[in-house]
Amino acid sequence: GQQLNQSPQSMFIQEGEDVSMNCTSSSIFNTWLWYKQDPGEGPVLLIALYKAGELTSNGRLTAQFGITRKDSFLNISASIPSDVGIYFCAGQQAGNNRKLIWGLGTSLAVNP
Amino acid sequence: EAQVTQNPRYLITVTGKKLTVTCSQNMNHEYMSWYRQDPGLGLRQIYYSMNVEVTDKGDVPEGYKVSRKEKRNFPLILESPSPNQTSLYFCASRPGHLSYEQYFGPGTRLTVT
Repeated sequence: GQQLNQSPQSMFIQEGEDVSMNCTSSSIFNTWLWYKQDPGEGPVLLIALYKAGELTSNGRLTAQFGITRKDSFLNISASIPSDVGIYFCAGQQAGNNRKLIWGLGTSLAVNP
Repeated sequence: EAQVTQNPRYLITVTGKKLTVTCSQNMNHEYMSWYRQDPGLGLRQIYYSMNVEVTDKGDVPEGYKVSRKEKRNFPLILESPSPNQTSLYFCASRPGHLSYEQYFGPGTRLTVT
């Protein structure tokens, strides 16, 4: 099945640092979603984006729907240890039975 | 509390022994899905259901069956499990197929020996 290109694959940072990750595709998407998966849990929705150029924040998290509609970005400011986990992007194309296309995830580790 | 529940959370079984993983949601969602998660492969959709009695194959349906007799329940059935079905399984639901804000269950870790 189709997948999104998500990068970086993993990150190891110091507490307090800012984090950036992104998802790209050769196809246009109508919706972008960002999820976080804590160890041993199911993914939890962080931010949903519905419009090209849209910039949405959720606490220290900010996500953007790329102008080209082929990419999306997630930034985490002033990271803390509980930010540890796997971050997934997901997108939905026009038609395609409304199926979500997923990235492979960015694994984030935070050193206190 | 709005949630998706799965049972069991952990299961070890042997090749060929039929098993069912249950999934239930209390949010009156129309759309439900099953995913498997494997290292390096991310989340892959197995089956989905847009409403009661409406199910369809996802990306990796081989070896699995589902049913949707009630809106809240969406069980995953492995008629004859094989070791390559060892994985972490997630059930998910969302309000409708036009809504993309999906809610996941806690996962079922299955080992087939």
